[in-house]
Amino acid sequence: DQQVKQNSPSLSVQEGRISILNCDYTNSMFDYFLWYKKYPAEGPTFLISISSIKDKNEDGRFTVFLNKSAKHLSLHIVPSQPGDSAVYFCAASASGTYKYIFGTGTRLKVLA
Amino acid sequence: IAGITQAPTSQILAAGRRMTLRCTQDMRHNAMYWYRQDLGLGLRLIHYSNTAGTTGKGEVPDGYSVSRANTDDFPLTLASAVPSQTSVYFCASSESGGVTDTQYFGPGTRLTVL
Repeated sequence: DQQVKQNSPSLSVQEGRISILNCDYTNSMFDYFLWYKKYPAEGPTFLISISSIKDKNEDGRFTVFLNKSAKHLSLHIVPSQPGDSAVYFCAASASGTYKYIFGTGTRLKVLA
Repeated sequence: IAGITQAPTSQILAAGRRMTLRCTQDMRHNAMYWYRQDLGLGLRLIHYSNTAGTTGKGEVPDGYSVSRANTDDFPLTLASAVPSQTSVYFCASSESGGVTDTQYFGPGTRLTVL
């Protein structure tokens, strides 16, 4: 049973436009959410996170939005750059569990 | 600073053989983790350790064992490898193991079990 779902396996966006990556979760106990980026032949690297007490967190070109009632979060990248081409994983965790549950990933391709 | 190193980078293994994947971190992080990444399944936690001397089971622990004799090293052992353990394995660490701690990942080990 996939508790964290990324329903779009891939996404292509033109350079300079907005990229929107989506993630849904089913466990209402999750209260901390993260996005990781992964390039080929490398380990995932942390990108941005959000606590359930917030509905938005921004870091430069990256913004994460959280809609708790819909159990949905999204990552916005504006403007998208070719170097953003990677696989993006969302992850969720619940207080006291010491564990992340990862989604299946979305491969983003930013076209020059 | 190297961060997290994993060895080997890749390995082809005959089914039934024993294999240990090595992971070392130089950040003096208390918590360490082992994940496997499979196409269509994302990253799944195998085992974790919140501090030296303690370990815990993740989502998919069967067929794997770990030990944490010291802070820096967290080896993952497949006692008798099976083809379904073909995967890319990532080791990670975080400062204290809290869910708000950033996890830092190693470069991965690609394992093929024939």
